[in-house]
Amino acid sequence: NAGVTQTPKFQVLKTGQSMTLQCAQDMNHNSMYWYRQDPGMGLRLIYYSASEGTTDKGEVPNGYNVSRLNKREFSLRLESAAPSQTSVYFCASSEITSGHYNEQFFGPGTRLTVL
Amino acid sequence: LAKTTQPISMDSYEGQEVNITCSHNNIATNDYITWYQQFPSQGPRFIIQGYKTKVTNEVASLFIPADRKSSTLSLPRVSLSDTAVYYCLVGDMGSNYQLIWGAGTKLIIKP
Repeated sequence: NAGVTQTPKFQVLKTGQSMTLQCAQDMNHNSMYWYRQDPGMGLRLIYYSASEGTTDKGEVPNGYNVSRLNKREFSLRLESAAPSQTSVYFCASSEITSGHYNEQFFGPGTRLTVL
Repeated sequence: LAKTTQPISMDSYEGQEVNITCSHNNIATNDYITWYQQFPSQGPRFIIQGYKTKVTNEVASLFIPADRKSSTLSLPRVSLSDTAVYYCLVGDMGSNYQLIWGAGTKLIIKP
């Protein structure tokens, strides 16, 4: 099992450009998440998808959109990149049982720089 | 949403037991406590999760007092490879699945 995979690993954008970060998991998890992590900080939730067909905003959703393409895939789109979006982006997946969240499995991250 | 407070950094030596305490005064009844480990340039990795009393697995123990307002992650006999950032999370399911990540505790193990 590959677990959680993310593409690309690195990306440099100019201000105003758009791009989509891809995430896929092969653990048959219902829930998927997108986080960003700035230097020396903890993770901040951007968007999450509790189950296929649903998405909800997290703590810092402005400037981002997401698509839960199917149970395996959850993409994050930056429509018009800004330097403030320079960060490391992590995708994660987990299972929720009886209202109790289980451990999250994280991908290797995408390091994004916006000039 | 439950917030957590952890020490910013800690030092220890190989072979010692390390205890990292997390404060979460406004923990809700249904919240679980989870610890993650993160190495540079990697995603966080699950260590242990608990609700109350003591939980032990092959790598760590988690101690939670009766009032659940704090928790302590215990790493037995640490090695240099345990140098990492450790995050304490308190789950707030409520109407969503949001989790608040603090800045974590940077643990440095010395030879």
